[in-house]
Amino acid sequence: GAGVSQSPSNKVTEKGKDVELRCDPISGHTALYWYRQSLGQGLEFLIYFQGNSAPDKSGLPSDRFSAERTGGSVSTLTIQRTQQEDSAVYLCASSTQGGKLSAYNEQFFGPGTRLTVL
Amino acid sequence: AQSVSQHNHHVILSEAASLELGCNYSYGGTVNLFWYVQYPGQHLQLLLKYFSGDPLVKGIKGFEAEFIKSKFSFNLRKPSVQWSDTAEYFCAVNAFWTGANNLFFGTGTRLTVIP
Repeated sequence: GAGVSQSPSNKVTEKGKDVELRCDPISGHTALYWYRQSLGQGLEFLIYFQGNSAPDKSGLPSDRFSAERTGGSVSTLTIQRTQQEDSAVYLCASSTQGGKLSAYNEQFFGPGTRLTVL
Repeated sequence: AQSVSQHNHHVILSEAASLELGCNYSYGGTVNLFWYVQYPGQHLQLLLKYFSGDPLVKGIKGFEAEFIKSKFSFNLRKPSVQWSDTAEYFCAVNAFWTGANNLFFGTGTRLTVIP
């Protein structure tokens, strides 16, 4: 079946502009995660969705970052007034269950969106 | 702060050499442990995982990892690497007992296998 898809694959923007990154999880997966991978860094957790709600937003680096999920499926990560330090690969992952059981489920990753802020 | 450490940033091996990549974590409670691999141009994919039971777990493509609780370690091993194992390897921990659902990742180890 189809895996996690993300769009766009690459995004180049100017400092100060807003960007939207999209994630389509695997059908039926209730848990959805956003991570960020910066050059020389590991994957940094941003936000976790269980269904349409986001019980854990602890990883969002600033109030310029927000995310939503609609219909328990597609998620959009929005970065407002982008800065050069926002340049990174943004990865989305999904898994079959949320809550405490999500710890036992493999997270399936998408190909990522490479964001470059000039 | 919770953290995952991968001390080897770049490892270069010849084919047929043995591999061991280190991973240490700093959580005090029960954890679930994972190794993910990212082949060039491909998505991150799960290599193996440990939840409980036998601390020696076997994954795909001949990889295995050993959980040593007393050392807070989960090192990845393969007795004989192949050129196709060239990839970046990430250790990850889920400290679910804290209420967190996400994975905490190490910074990754790049493995280059020379034919």
